Amino acid sequence: EAGVAQSPRYKIIEKRQSVAFWCNPISGHATLYWYQQILGQGPKLLIQFQNNGVVDDSQLPKDRFSAERLKGVDSTLKIQPAKLEDSAVYLCASLESRANEQFFGPGTRLTVL
Amino acid sequence: GQQVMQIPQYQHVQEGEDFTTYCNSSTTLSNIQWYKQRPGGHPVFLIQLVKSGEVKKQKRLTFQFGEAKKNSSLHITATQTTDVGTYFCAGGTSGTYKYIFGTGTRLKVLA
Repeated sequence: EAGVAQSPRYKIIEKRQSVAFWCNPISGHATLYWYQQILGQGPKLLIQFQNNGVVDDSQLPKDRFSAERLKGVDSTLKIQPAKLEDSAVYLCASLESRANEQFFGPGTRLTVL
Repeated sequence: GQQVMQIPQYQHVQEGEDFTTYCNSSTTLSNIQWYKQRPGGHPVFLIQLVKSGEVKKQKRLTFQFGEAKKNSSLHITATQTTDVGTYFCAGGTSGTYKYIFGTGTRLKVLA
């Protein structure tokens, strides 16, 4: 079984630029999460999808962050414009609902200069 | 909002010593999960606890869920260098698949 795929793995941008991350969850997993993990901290939930609908986006800074999962499979997370404090690893995870187990992708490490 | 704290933040142990991390939620949880994140890696699921007072074991790891379902612990017996990493708990909310991750405990094992 293939794991959760994310790209790119690394991204360096200047502040005020835009950036997009892509996630392909494990096939058949209806629930998909985007987390932000700042160095030395635990993953912080940004947004949770169930199929192509948003379940929770209460922690998403909506003035600059957006996410979509149009066909209920792949998802993209965008930041526009980026700030220095957005430097973090962005983790995508999908949920195996029978065992309630989250499978994480390798993450995208974003550096904002 | 809901907060999940873990103590200690860091722990250095000699190989063969025991290790325990504690997880405390500000609200009652429906379930709790534990994850391990190796340096430079991503979180990997270890286990889920659902019942009040539940205890589960995985080889040298023992997981416990508190009676009030607001706290949990992970105990590792006789640590090995392969146990190095950060251990996170994640509290689940009833009726959703939403999880709030704890602050994590970073374990270093000295050979």
